[in-house]
Amino acid sequence: DTAVSQTPKYLVTQMGNDKSIKCEQNLGHDTMYWYKQDSKKFLKIMFSYNNKELIINETVPNRFSPKSPDKAHLNLHINSLELGDSAVYFCASSLQDSGNTIYFGEGSWLTVV
Amino acid sequence: GDSVTQMEGPVTLSEEACLTINCTYTATGYPSLFWYVQYPGEGLQLLLKATKADDKGSNKGFEATYRKETTSFHLEKGSVQVSDSAVYFCALRSTGGFKTIFGAGTRLFVKA
Repeated sequence: DTAVSQTPKYLVTQMGNDKSIKCEQNLGHDTMYWYKQDSKKFLKIMFSYNNKELIINETVPNRFSPKSPDKAHLNLHINSLELGDSAVYFCASSLQDSGNTIYFGEGSWLTVV
Repeated sequence: GDSVTQMEGPVTLSEEACLTINCTYTATGYPSLFWYVQYPGEGLQLLLKATKADDKGSNKGFEATYRKETTSFHLEKGSVQVSDSAVYFCALRSTGGFKTIFGAGTRLFVKA
């Protein structure tokens, strides 16, 4: 069983469209994240949720709206897609304590044309 | 704020060569330190970690020691293999645990 699964894996869409990426974890973790990785492999946190509550929002544009219906799910909706949104988006999860490992999904490759 | 700096790549080595990827950090409190590895087309996965000063993390022949006095967590391997070709990320997780900060990543190419 995949520990952190996200769908879709590949997404090609036109500018201005709205799209969603879904994420689920079956590890019993209380904290979930969205990270964005650009073409140079730089990894930047976007959001962090703990027990369904938003903890971190790293100055991400309002067009990005995360939703956590329960502790095992954290979805990402993006409105009015722009060319600069093209990237790989990683969902991840962990237990809260600082010594705990983050487990990553396989990534969702978003291309905006 | 907290930050992680790691050596720029790419690093190209021949098989069986020694590897060192430098990583230094800035943090308040007592963070945990990690090395993650990303193989092509995959997500990141934990390679090793250390949660307090002087701890040594090790896995698959890789090692790193948490040095508080030099604020470093350098990754080392004595003999690399072609299968070690990947991008390596040094990371810091602050006290409180909600935020993990990653370095810029170092791409390693190992030639047969």
